[in-house]
Amino acid sequence: GQNIDQPTEMTATEGAIVQINCTYQTSGFNGLFWYQQHAGEAPTFLSYNVLDGLEEKGRFSSFLSRSKGYSYLLLKELQMKDSASYLCALMDSNYQLIWGAGTKLIIKP
Amino acid sequence: GAVVSQHPSWVICKSGTSVKIECRSLDFQATTMFWYRQFPKQSLMLMATSNEGSKATYEQGVEKDKFLINHASLTLSTLTVTSAHPEDSSFYICSASLGRGEEPYNEQFFGPGTRLTVL
Repeated sequence: GQNIDQPTEMTATEGAIVQINCTYQTSGFNGLFWYQQHAGEAPTFLSYNVLDGLEEKGRFSSFLSRSKGYSYLLLKELQMKDSASYLCALMDSNYQLIWGAGTKLIIKP
Repeated sequence: GAVVSQHPSWVICKSGTSVKIECRSLDFQATTMFWYRQFPKQSLMLMATSNEGSKATYEQGVEKDKFLINHASLTLSTLTVTSAHPEDSSFYICSASLGRGEEPYNEQFFGPGTRLTVL
């Protein structure tokens, strides 16, 4: 089966950097996604990794290590609007997304 | 980018009534559509996967006779909550994808969600 773990909640300061970790166990793998979800809204796509390494996109970067079953989302120059839940999702061998429970990120001034 | 719409955005209904939620892909043809439910402070829970022209595949524990899914065309899927009860109150989100193995990366495009409140 599959299993995804990520911290429930994190707090960071405006302007700082935060790293949200995601570990997973799966028998089939077609990539790992990170989504951002503000309260009461649908998730929005942030990043996709299928090969090992770091993908950078503006203030957000995502890293994947398939051998370790590990990914992280790195957010730089935090802004108040970055306060949201960040969902790690694994795409399995059937191309279905398996969702983590999400990490609620709280940004303080 | 690909746009998915949902209608209605929110609905309040009486217990025992049925509610239909529409999900449309506006600028692409979606081979596959997904229906999710999300309770407060919880992650997305996949309810069912539907492919155009075929019956939906329901996840374990989801009653197919209660949650009717119709994927009549490549741009429209509907979810009907039949005989809704207060415990069905939730945030229902649909997503659409081009299909298996499609580039650029099998992304699912999400609708804005429908908040259902059953009194």
